[in-house]
Amino acid sequence: DIQMTQSPSSVSASVGDRVTITCRASQGIASWLGWYQQKPGKAPKLLIYDATSLQSGVPSRFSGSGSGTDFTLTISSLQPEDFATYYCQQAKSFPITFGQGTRLEIK
Amino acid sequence: EVQLVESGGGLVQTGGSLRLSCAASGFTFSSFNMNWVRQAPGKGLEWVSYISSSGTTTYYADSVKGRFIISRDNAKNSVSLQVNSLRAEDTAVYYCATEYSNWFDPWGQGTLVTVSS
Repeated sequence: DIQMTQSPSSVSASVGDRVTITCRASQGIASWLGWYQQKPGKAPKLLIYDATSLQSGVPSRFSGSGSGTDFTLTISSLQPEDFATYYCQQAKSFPITFGQGTRLEIK
Repeated sequence: EVQLVESGGGLVQTGGSLRLSCAASGFTFSSFNMNWVRQAPGKGLEWVSYISSSGTTTYYADSVKGRFIISRDNAKNSVSLQVNSLRAEDTAVYYCATEYSNWFDPWGQGTLVTVSS
């Protein structure tokens, strides 16, 4: 199985800050990496797919980079609605696996 | 509007069974692979099962293999998850999710399964 490890597990930031979350795969997954945002009590929402592609309707302040084993999600200027938990997910092979999540909190 | 609506969750005793259902609308259901993903209270996301668009191919997480069965009815635009031999660690919100170009989008609102002894 491919293990996905996110860091940090939680981060505190202020509105307007730039935030970067990293995700590392235990083996190469090319660009088979997606990022999801989840708010309390809600289903996850796809933000980034194929490591770098922005899902339709997602604000351009979100961006993804990386390939192989190391990936990042960057939020260029935090907005109040961005405080949530973020998960990476690999789609290279079954079983599909997610990172453990990064909780983004208001400082 | 694309929509997925899960149902069938509830409180069940250890060793019991439930049948979770997901009703799809707003898209050509028979063209898309479907998945179930669960989330234990306060925990992260765990992929559970996959079924291909035709229903001929299925995959399961090791944690549920042999106990859960995924199926679909393309005529009724629905996917189901039969969950058997339930354990305390199966307590979770169960989401169905459409696999769109390899990614989970959209997701349903989830249905809560609580396993109690």
